[in-house]
Amino acid sequence: DQQVKQNSPSLSVQEGRISILNCDYTNSMFDYFLWYKKYPAEGPTFLISISSIKDKNEDGRFTVFLNKSAKHLSLHIVPSQPGDSAVYFCAARGINTGTASKLTFGTGTRLQVTL
Amino acid sequence: DAGITQSPRHKVTETGTPVTLRCHQTENHRYMYWYRQDPGHGLRLIHYSYGVKDTDKGEVSDGYSVSRSKTEDFLLTLESATSSQTSVYFCATHFAGAYEQYFGPGTRLTVT
Repeated sequence: DQQVKQNSPSLSVQEGRISILNCDYTNSMFDYFLWYKKYPAEGPTFLISISSIKDKNEDGRFTVFLNKSAKHLSLHIVPSQPGDSAVYFCAARGINTGTASKLTFGTGTRLQVTL
Repeated sequence: DAGITQSPRHKVTETGTPVTLRCHQTENHRYMYWYRQDPGHGLRLIHYSYGVKDTDKGEVSDGYSVSRSKTEDFLLTLESATSSQTSVYFCATHFAGAYEQYFGPGTRLTVT
């Protein structure tokens, strides 16, 4: 039972355009959401996060939007660059994990930015 | 990024043999985690530690054990490896008060 879902396995975007990666969750017991980027043969790298009490967080070219009523979050990358080509994972922190950060990950979306 | 190393980076082993993977961090982070990554599943939490000698199970802990005898090292042991444990294993850490985890480079384990 996948509690965090990334329904698009892949996405292709032209350089300079906006990339929008989507993530849905089914459990209301998440209080913090994160996006990670992963290149082949490397570990995931933290990109950006958002608390459940906010609806938007921005960091340079990356913006994460959270729609709690729809249980949906999205990552916008503007403008997209060839170096953004990677697999992107969304993750959610369970609310009942004390001071730890037990994360549930989606299955990932492979983004390809074309010239 | 946190100084996180994993060893070995690659390992091939036979079914039924014990295997230990090591995660080492130099950031003095309190929390450490072991994940496995498999196609179609993303990353799944195996075990985690919230301090020296303090560990707890994650979502896919069957067949795995962990130990943490000092802050910088978190060991993952497969007592008797099975082919279903063929995967890429990642270690992650974070300091107290934060939720963002920092990942090591991964260990690719193949059980034949």
